[in-house]
Amino acid sequence: ELKVEQNPLFLSMQEGKNYTIYCNYSTTSDRLYWYRQDPGKSLESLFVLLSNGAVKQEGRLMASLDTKARLSTLHITAAVHDLSATYFCAVDPRRLGSQGNLIFGKGTKLSVKP
Amino acid sequence: DSGVTQTPKHLITATGQRVTLRCSPRSGDLSVYWYQQSLDQGLQFLIQYYNGEERAKGNILERFSAQQFPDLHSELNLSSLELGDSALYFCASSVVRGSSYNEQFFGPGTRLTVL
Repeated sequence: ELKVEQNPLFLSMQEGKNYTIYCNYSTTSDRLYWYRQDPGKSLESLFVLLSNGAVKQEGRLMASLDTKARLSTLHITAAVHDLSATYFCAVDPRRLGSQGNLIFGKGTKLSVKP
Repeated sequence: DSGVTQTPKHLITATGQRVTLRCSPRSGDLSVYWYQQSLDQGLQFLIQYYNGEERAKGNILERFSAQQFPDLHSELNLSSLELGDSALYFCASSVVRGSSYNEQFFGPGTRLTVL
């Protein structure tokens, strides 16, 4: 069974600081997704990582994928309050013969304080 | 706005009742996925339909069922509701099963409260 583990689960940051969220998964996959969720809202797609070594950046967020280590990171640079949300990584275990459903981590609740 | 619509936004009902949640995928998307989000279980995949056919099942209870209609909208039916079924139910859609990647776009969700 594919497992996706995120850490930390809770992260309280000060504005202006940098931090990294980690996403480990238990089996081979080359498709990893990052989503953002604001309280009571839907999931917003942030990044799609499709190959080993993929790196994508949008504003203060940068995501990377290492398929050999089965690890993805979401790096936050100079955090601002607007980044406060819950961040999920999700893996597509297609190589296991699935039909494309995603397996989600438990999410990292980020709180950025002034 | 992802282009995926879900109705209703909120649903309050009693134990033992039956409800239907509705989802319309983005224009052109053939796959529809249902997910349940609860505090204790997190985000869990329930079921997927592709162009009217069931393609994958996850942790979906026997009391739950779904279907996808010819116009590609989907309905999730929840019956004999229990308190523990209270959750946020999301529908997501993606282009096609065989595409090179599987980016899923999520609807706004239906918050179900079972009293």
